[in-house]
Amino acid sequence: GQQVMQIPQYQHVQEGEDFTTYCNSSTTLSNIQWYKQRPGGHPVFLIQLVKSGEVKKQKRLTFQFGEAKKNSSLHITATQTTDVGTYFCAGYSSASKIIFGSGTRLSIRP
Amino acid sequence: DAGVIQSPRHEVTEMGQEVTLRCKPISGHNSLFWYRQTMMRGLELLIYFNNNVPIDDSGMPEDRFSAKMPNASFSTLKIQPSEPRDSAVYFCASSGLAGVSEQFFGPGTRLTVL
Repeated sequence: GQQVMQIPQYQHVQEGEDFTTYCNSSTTLSNIQWYKQRPGGHPVFLIQLVKSGEVKKQKRLTFQFGEAKKNSSLHITATQTTDVGTYFCAGYSSASKIIFGSGTRLSIRP
Repeated sequence: DAGVIQSPRHEVTEMGQEVTLRCKPISGHNSLFWYRQTMMRGLELLIYFNNNVPIDDSGMPEDRFSAKMPNASFSTLKIQPSEPRDSAVYFCASSGLAGVSEQFFGPGTRLTVL
């Protein structure tokens, strides 16, 4: 069945360092969404990517959708303590399937 | 807008008991999703509805789980009988259109089955 793999599972960085999480789907996706979940909270929508090769930026966050629409990445430049949390991708297929990646938990040393 | 409302926020029950989780989506949203989150299995989609109709229930673990959406403003997720392995945080989310619009998550129900 369709799978969305997300790596790494955990990432511990020094404040100010960069951070990247990757999602890879076993099938071509219609679009992909990214969510952030703070500890003890609920997932909150960050962005949606639809087009092949699309790149979107939100301040220090850069989101990419692969040319084949099977992979995506989220890159945070110069992490801050407010970036702590778990980042999820959610892949949508044309078969009305929605699959969340396993998430990458980001922790930061001040 | 109050956002997605879930009740109860916490539920502690004993094995074998029936558990009903409730969700009120954001008014005007067409799609509703039920998720389960555990440390071991992460965030799993259990079922989602479009216009009150179940579209994909392949994530429902087994016959002990059932979900209904009798109208556009209310949904339930029922577990009968409950088991300790059902302990998790259950999230409800709603969106304008599944696969196109962002999902808005509720605060979750933390279920503990003893």
